[in-house]
Amino acid sequence: QVQLQESGPGLVTPSETLSLTCTVSGGSITSYYWTWIRQSPGKGLEWIGSMYYTGSTDYNPSLKSRVTISVDTSRDQFSLRFSSVTAADTAVYYCAARNVDYGWFDPWGQGTPVTVSS
Amino acid sequence: DIQMTQSPSTLSASVGDRVTITCRASQSISTWLAWYQQKPGKAPKLLIYKASSLQSGVSSRFSGSGSGTEFTLTISSLQPDDFATYYCQQYETYSPLTFGGGTKVDIK
Repeated sequence: QVQLQESGPGLVTPSETLSLTCTVSGGSITSYYWTWIRQSPGKGLEWIGSMYYTGSTDYNPSLKSRVTISVDTSRDQFSLRFSSVTAADTAVYYCAARNVDYGWFDPWGQGTPVTVSS
Repeated sequence: DIQMTQSPSTLSASVGDRVTITCRASQSISTWLAWYQQKPGKAPKLLIYKASSLQSGVSSRFSGSGSGTEFTLTISSLQPDDFATYYCQQYETYSPLTFGGGTKVDIK
């Protein structure tokens, strides 16, 4: 049973880069598209992007210019880097596993709240 | 982007009620639709994929139907554990993958 756990700072300064890591346990890092999703009161659930361990990625076009997802197979971890953040990027950030052949998400991490503020 | 619109946004119901939530897509998505349940402070949980396939371990009280642009999630007999917010998500188009705005099911 795959389990995911997010980690990273809960407070980020405006214009800086938000960095989060998700640790995968109980399953293979090669079995899913590794995904970041965020949830804010204003915009609901928003898919940020997904990456396969081979390096294949897809990003939300509205966020693509600021987002990098990477996978570290040696550590069974994947990461999100989100640059030039503003208050509008304040949200709960979830990591999730996306089915390789289809686009649903299961399982999800518990989520980590991130506030962008000076 | 494919827009997903859920209705109603809030639904008040009683234990034992049959509950139906609707999700409409802005263009045809065949049956490429998933449903999730989210409780306060928790991550969404996959209930249904491919519009009507029940995820392993999910109660058979939940069922999904529909194709094209109109879909429904039905809870056959609402239980106390089912009070939550429900989201639909399309995966016909991956750029981007999109969710509905959610339907909160609360106690009447």
